[in-house]
Amino acid sequence: AQSVTQLGSHVSVSEGALVLLRCNYSSSVPPYLFWYVQYPNQGLQLLLKYTSAATLVKGINGFEAEFKKSETSFHLTKPSAHMSDAAEYFCAVSPSGGSNYKLTFGKGTLLTVNP
Amino acid sequence: KAGVTQTPRYLIKTRGQQVTLSCSPISGHRSVSWYQQTPGQGLQFLFEYFSETQRNKGNFPGRFSGRQFSNSRSEMNVSTLELGDSALYLCASSIDGYNEKLFFGSGTQLSVL
Repeated sequence: AQSVTQLGSHVSVSEGALVLLRCNYSSSVPPYLFWYVQYPNQGLQLLLKYTSAATLVKGINGFEAEFKKSETSFHLTKPSAHMSDAAEYFCAVSPSGGSNYKLTFGKGTLLTVNP
Repeated sequence: KAGVTQTPRYLIKTRGQQVTLSCSPISGHRSVSWYQQTPGQGLQFLFEYFSETQRNKGNFPGRFSGRQFSNSRSEMNVSTLELGDSALYLCASSIDGYNEKLFFGSGTQLSVL
């Protein structure tokens, strides 16, 4: 069974500051890991995914995440926050080699960007 | 290319009624999955269909059902609605449900009064 824990339901940063959203996973098999973003009144959009090819994964909109097996973490970062980054972010896991349609999501982290 | 389309966008129902939600996947996508999103439980997997067959099901009661048509469009049905069924229902499609990216619709916001 897999699970995901997102530390911090709400993160607030200033525009231009580093964004760090934390995700820890639990999986009995090598996992695939994902970060999704949800803007108000919209569905989810994939930011990036880890499928064991490289531990540092670059995604869209300047986001990246690093897979650390020893820490069972997959934290999302962006060097400089922009106002348009304000949204809710979800970390998700699925078993490697398995489906990408049956994802287990974390509870989400709401990112607020202050001018 | 059109994205995933969910209709209706909003629904208001009363307890005991039933409801049907519709999802049209991206053209060429044969896998359609459904998720329920609530503030308390977050995003939870309901079920997935591929080529008109349900391949996997989440941990939801039998009141939640679905189907997929030959053109890959999918419907989700909830019978005997309860207050706790109030949620945003999201549909996602992908080519085969495995290696390809999931594309989500904007969801149907269901309110049960």
